[in-house]
Amino acid sequence: EVKLLESGGGLVQPGGSMRLSCAASGFTFTDFYMNWIRQPAGKAPEWLGFIRNKANGYTTEYNPSVKGRFTISRDNTQNMLYLQMNTLRAEDTATYYCARRPYFDYWGQGVMVTVSS
Amino acid sequence: DVVLTQSPATLSVTPGERISLSCRASESVDTYLHWYQQKPNESPRLLIKYASQSISGIPSRFSGSGSGTDFTLSINGVELEDLSIYYCQQGNSLPYTFGAGTKLELK
Repeated sequence: EVKLLESGGGLVQPGGSMRLSCAASGFTFTDFYMNWIRQPAGKAPEWLGFIRNKANGYTTEYNPSVKGRFTISRDNTQNMLYLQMNTLRAEDTATYYCARRPYFDYWGQGVMVTVSS
Repeated sequence: DVVLTQSPATLSVTPGERISLSCRASESVDTYLHWYQQKPNESPRLLIKYASQSISGIPSRFSGSGSGTDFTLSINGVELEDLSIYYCQQGNSLPYTFGAGTKLELK
């Protein structure tokens, strides 16, 4: 059974940093693109970026809205996906999801990030 | 960025009826268009991939059609459990984008 489980959310001050994690299980992790997506309360989801699979060299792509502030990485020995978020702003407040594939066939349950002083 | 316009924003439905939801792209996305259902306090769930391809475990009353810029999600015989928000998403060009959603409510 495919499972994705995010962790690491919470309250952070504006200008601060936070790292989210996503633990993957139930599939061959290295075979798949992995994404981060966020959703502010009451709004549509926003794709943040992905990291490609082994066959495509684990390279990354980002939404220009977060490029330069957010970094996606993966630890293929631990089946873990990460999102490093720097210089956080109030508008980064949202539920953050990890999801598999270029079409998002499996999603985690999401983790809340609140940016506030 | 590709803008996806979903209509209507809200649709009032009666159980059993057949309905269609629209998603229009600001430029061609070929068939790289996917549909999701989201219930309150849940993660989105993939319903249809690549405009018309069915997903294992999704009821057969859900179907998708379209290519280029105009897409439709149809529900043939709406059930109460289908009252949710539906989003389309394009995967043709970066950044991937979502529509604003269509909310199904009970008439």
